[in-house]
Amino acid sequence: QLVLTQSPSASASLGASVKLTCTLSSGHSTYAIAWHQQQPEKGPRYLMKVNSDGSHSKGDGIPDRFSGSSSGSERFLTISSLQSEDEADYYCQTWGTGIQVFGGGTKLTVL
Amino acid sequence: QVALKESGPALVKPTQTLTLTCTFSGFSLTTSGMCVSWIRQPPGKALEWLALLDWDEDEYYSTSLKTRLTISKDTSKNQVVLTMANMDPVDTATYFCARVIGYDLLDYWGQGTQVTVSS
Repeated sequence: QLVLTQSPSASASLGASVKLTCTLSSGHSTYAIAWHQQQPEKGPRYLMKVNSDGSHSKGDGIPDRFSGSSSGSERFLTISSLQSEDEADYYCQTWGTGIQVFGGGTKLTVL
Repeated sequence: QVALKESGPALVKPTQTLTLTCTFSGFSLTTSGMCVSWIRQPPGKALEWLALLDWDEDEYYSTSLKTRLTISKDTSKNQVVLTMANMDPVDTATYFCARVIGYDLLDYWGQGTQVTVSS
């Protein structure tokens, strides 16, 4: 069964970097995923697609501070030079046979 | 540029059928690879995928909700319609539509529409 697992919460200081993780279930380690950001009281926004080889393609207007990478069944979103507006929920998402799947989301707190 | 906007009733009663419309611009659903998905988010909870319609009019549904959902399109109006039967208070959520390319790349979202199920 295709499942995406995310830690419920993360925190980092203003100006620092943070790395969020999305883990693909067993047997699905070659899948690409997408990262989406949802700021408080707003709809989600597409950030980037991350492939199994670590290559990534970002959405329109996404700052260079956001980058993606991969290792095995893990897909990462790294945000550098954290700003207050980066405080948000981050969801990973992928597609299996006939279904789309979302992770449970990670709530990022900027200290 | 690509834009999507959801519309529908803000309040429905239990057992009623919900009909939501996604009106989009900046792309065509007849172009190979283009799809539209519906996703919902109950208050304070995570995103949940509901359904997807592709350029070939093939329909895909969440396993847990497939008996209640129907997705369709009106190509002339650039609209995708989702109906959900037998609404229950647990279906209270914000409902989003989104453009999807090649089934996996969900790259543009609508702003969402809030639906409350209550008698």
